Amino acid sequence: DGGITQSPKYLFRKEGQNVTLSCEQNLNHDAMYWYRQDPGQGLRLIYYSQIVNDFQKGDIAEGYSVSREKKESFPLTVTSAQKNPTAFYLCASRPNGEKLFFGSGTQLSVL
Amino acid sequence: AQSVAQPEDQVNVAEGNPLTVKCTYSVSGNPYLFWYVQYPNRGLQFLLKYITGDNLVKGSYGFEAEFNKSQTSFHLKKPSALVSDSALYFCAVRVPGYSSASKIIFGSGTRLSIRP
Repeated sequence: DGGITQSPKYLFRKEGQNVTLSCEQNLNHDAMYWYRQDPGQGLRLIYYSQIVNDFQKGDIAEGYSVSREKKESFPLTVTSAQKNPTAFYLCASRPNGEKLFFGSGTQLSVL
Repeated sequence: AQSVAQPEDQVNVAEGNPLTVKCTYSVSGNPYLFWYVQYPNRGLQFLLKYITGDNLVKGSYGFEAEFNKSQTSFHLKKPSALVSDSALYFCAVRVPGYSSASKIIFGSGTRLSIRP
């Protein structure tokens, strides 16, 4: 069963804590993306990656970090420097030149 | 700056009437344009895309979109709305670039509400 798996579905962060959101795909797509969704603000691009060991900052990368050690995995770490992390986070992947395929998202909240 | 604008937060239409959801973009070069739909607490689903060619593109669920280069617009349309079309709709653009990675940015979304 091919697709993009995001975990966990819900995540809670304490003050000063780093948390990592998982994104795994078995679609053999090269490109992967992380977006943040806030009500009324649409999707904002955090980071994106075309190939293993290479990634670029999006429009709101501050307070976040990523890695791309394997083609199928693109984890996102929300660091303590991100002061307003509560949002719905979406991961997506894309074959060359084509549409994005999205995971079902992770809702991150602050305790 | 590169951007995508959806000027309407919400569009309300009666079932059976035509609908239009507006999108304009500000990107240099020849962008790829997309529409996606989101149902509650879910990821986004692809509806249609414009890469090149005919300015009117047809997509899933009876939706179509018209590309207008002079107005830098890509409005989503459907001739006859269904209650099940009620959802959040996003316009997106793939920004042309010379790096291997392609930046894809989204508009703020338009909530479409179809009343019976």
